[in-house]
Amino acid sequence: DAMVIQNPRYQVTQFGKPVTLSCSQTLNHNVMYWYQQKSSQAPKLLFHYYDKDFNNEADTPDNFQSRRPNTSFCFLDIRSPGLGDAAMYLCATSRLGGAGVDTEAFFGQGTRLTVV
Amino acid sequence: GENVEQHPSTLSVQEGDSAVIKCTYSDSASNYFPWYKQELGKRPQLIIDIRSNVGEKKDQRIAVTLNKTAKHFSLHITETQPEDSAVYFCAATPGGSEKLVFGKGTKLTVNP
Repeated sequence: DAMVIQNPRYQVTQFGKPVTLSCSQTLNHNVMYWYQQKSSQAPKLLFHYYDKDFNNEADTPDNFQSRRPNTSFCFLDIRSPGLGDAAMYLCATSRLGGAGVDTEAFFGQGTRLTVV
Repeated sequence: GENVEQHPSTLSVQEGDSAVIKCTYSDSASNYFPWYKQELGKRPQLIIDIRSNVGEKKDQRIAVTLNKTAKHFSLHITETQPEDSAVYFCAATPGGSEKLVFGKGTKLTVNP
């Protein structure tokens, strides 16, 4: 059974047109992450939520926003996609305990974003 | 912040040989070190992990070693098979943090 589900798998959007990617999880993990992965590169952390606390990476552009309305769902909003935002977007979850990460990070299948 | 360096960036071995990938980290408080395998077009999947209170961990053909003093950890794959061909990422979690910082990846090719 899929535990971290991303929709859609493929998204084509127009330059400058807002787009939202979604992620849901059935693991009840308290941490959800959004990573951007470009071809032949490592996943780059954009931001993450620890419960409702939002943690932005210093170099994440303002063009990227996120929402986590409840434990199970997290959204990535790209306000004005540019050609350079074309990438695979990976959602992941983990559980954080008192001494750090309790569980591995489980990744979703990713959403491949194309900007035309 | 944490910085993870990974070497080599590409590695080609013959089937049956061993493969070793090395990573170093900068934050001495980092306490969790997973290794992920990513096949083309697929999501990263955990293959093995180690915590800072352990020096070595083995799972069949895969092993990870951790040297906290030197701040480096290594992935060892023995008896490699063509299906081991993929990109491997090391990662580290700074102490007490929920963040996962990845190395740049190693493309492993196992030639039949």
